[in-house]
Parts: sequence; C-alpha cells; structure tokens
Amino acid sequence: DAGITQSPRHKVTETGTPVTLRCHQTENHRYMYWYRQDPGHGLRLIHYSYGVKDTDKGEVSDGYSVSRSKTEDFLLTLESATSSQTSVYFCAISDTTSGETDTQYFGPGTRLTVL
Amino acid sequence: AQKITQTQPGMFVQEKEAVTLDCTYDTSDQSYGLFWYKQPSSGEMIFLIYQGSYDEQNATEGRYSLNFQKARKSANLVISASQLGDSAMYFCAMREARSGSARQLTFGSGTQLTVLP
Repeated sequence: DAGITQSPRHKVTETGTPVTLRCHQTENHRYMYWYRQDPGHGLRLIHYSYGVKDTDKGEVSDGYSVSRSKTEDFLLTLESATSSQTSVYFCAISDTTSGETDTQYFGPGTRLTVL
Repeated sequence: AQKITQTQPGMFVQEKEAVTLDCTYDTSDQSYGLFWYKQPSSGEMIFLIYQGSYDEQNATEGRYSLNFQKARKSANLVISASQLGDSAMYFCAMREARSGSARQLTFGSGTQLTVLP
C-alpha cells in the first residue's frame, strides 16, 4: 500500500472557521491531489500539485486553497468553512511514469462536518 | 454531458458467481486511461485495474478483468468468482490526455455491489 496518511480523520467545525487538512506521503511522489466526495458525485478534484510550491486549481476549487512546501506534505485550507463544504476529503498521490498508466493512490480520507 | 456514466446504482450477485459492472465514457481524446477503484464500507479508495486507450488486450488483475470496447466507449469491470468481501462501491474513472499537467481523474457516480451468501 502507498504510504499516505491524512489528518485529522474526522473533524466537526462551525461555519466561518478556518480549517486545514493535511496529507502526508512517504513515497516521494511528485503529484498530489485533493478530491472531495459527495453522494451522487463520485470524487471531484479540488486542487493538485505537480511539485513543491507548484499548485493549480481543479474542478471545484472555490473556497479552498492549498500549499506544498515539502514534497511529502500537501495542505488543504478552507479559509472560512461553509456547510456546503461538509464532505469526505481524499488526498491522492501519483508519479510521472510513462503515458497514461500514472495510477493515483488514495489516502484514507477525512470526514469534515461544518455545522 | 457526463464523461463517465455508471448506470447501475446497485447490483446484487450470488457468492462465487461472476458479475459485470458497466461503465461508459465520453471523450474526444485519442489517448486516455480508464481506472476502476473499489470503496468498501470502511471508506478507503482501492485501485483495482487500469486500461490504456492504446492497449490492444483487455486488462486483467487476478479476479478482475476489464472488458474494453473502444468503439462503444465502454470499459466494464468483470469480477469472477465473487466473494463476500467484494461487497463495496465501485467507481470507474478516466484520465484524458487533455488534462495535461493536472492528470486529474474524472469519476463516475459509482455502483454499489452486494454479494449474497
């Protein structure tokens, strides 16, 4: 199994508070991703990183920011949490292998509830 | 239009029987990859199998095989000899060449498989 951990695993917070989720990998993979999973939507990409300090937006990036100061850590921040951000958040990693075989491996997920 | 369509919200299969989970996709790219992931009730996402658009043979991984029909744009997952532990949500996903540096996956909405004893 890929060495990916997420913290916290569960969090309950109130509307308007800042929240930071952490993804840590021990695989030295270049790419890291944040997805959210909501009923009926599968997983949707929030932000991704293709290297230290190199990040970009995904499909559902509004209300989220990310940072990557080290290869192994990718942080997702909700600057001011809203109830619509209640979701399960998954981190994923991949490496730049050839062609399209670049498989993404997922962390265990963080369940976030915004009251 | 949805890029990945999984038309079976729920499926039941008897233990030891084979089951096919449907996935159709929509892309105009010539180069793309198709993935299947399993999500048990514990919540983690487990990679099962991959099929490249240029692969001439269907992918296989143990009891999992991918029935890839490029002209029909379908990539169905076949699980042979179902086991109780196969009960889970299954997601089909695609990465298109146009995703560029994002290399992002686009997921279907999933199929909940229940294996009956």
